[in-house]
Amino acid sequence: GESVGLHLPTLSVQEGDNSIINCAYSNSASDYFIWYKQESGKGPQFIIDIRSNMDKRQGQRVTVLLNKTVKHLSLQIAATQPGDSAVYFCAENAQGAQKLVFGQGTRLTINP
Amino acid sequence: GAVVSQHPSWVICKSGTSVKIECRSLDFQATTMFWYRQFPKQSLMLMATSNEGSKATYEQGVEKDKFLINHASLTLSTLTVTSAHPEDSSFYICSATPGLALLWGNEQFFGPGTRLTVL
Repeated sequence: GESVGLHLPTLSVQEGDNSIINCAYSNSASDYFIWYKQESGKGPQFIIDIRSNMDKRQGQRVTVLLNKTVKHLSLQIAATQPGDSAVYFCAENAQGAQKLVFGQGTRLTINP
Repeated sequence: GAVVSQHPSWVICKSGTSVKIECRSLDFQATTMFWYRQFPKQSLMLMATSNEGSKATYEQGVEKDKFLINHASLTLSTLTVTSAHPEDSSFYICSATPGLALLWGNEQFFGPGTRLTVL
């Protein structure tokens, strides 16, 4: 069935470096994508989203890139901080649908 | 931002008993609520979608007679795990949105989750 997946299950970066977390999706009908951050034992926290009519969107220290041609999106975190340690999920939504389909998640760890 | 709470935050029960988990939207009316299940080191899997006043829509493979969902008001949805077994042990997360369609991701608000352990 349709699914959203991630290339890497874990990512380790040095504090202060930039982090790039990738996500592949397979549902060509998906037109809305969201990145969530989940800390241990907590619910997901919204980070940033992007619609399919855009290829880039920036927030505070975060940027999401969308490549519809290869069905790929990425989350870039600038100047990674210890507080960024968490599992990051991408999620997709098809137009008009209520539900989100979550990817497998990437655990981001920060090395001091 | 809007707040969604869950109660209890964790529960331990014996096999064969039923457990009820509450999900509340504290400062907005939730037209739609979602229930997810998350096993350790795995992603969130949608179990069901519930709209206030109507029956929940369950995802394929989720037993509706085992996971009873009630969305009786615009601020409260409950998930009851009936005759729980150790394989039902998981992290259960609800989310709520004021709309019928997901217009923007920042309109879907997640609860803190409930850790269920069945002995």
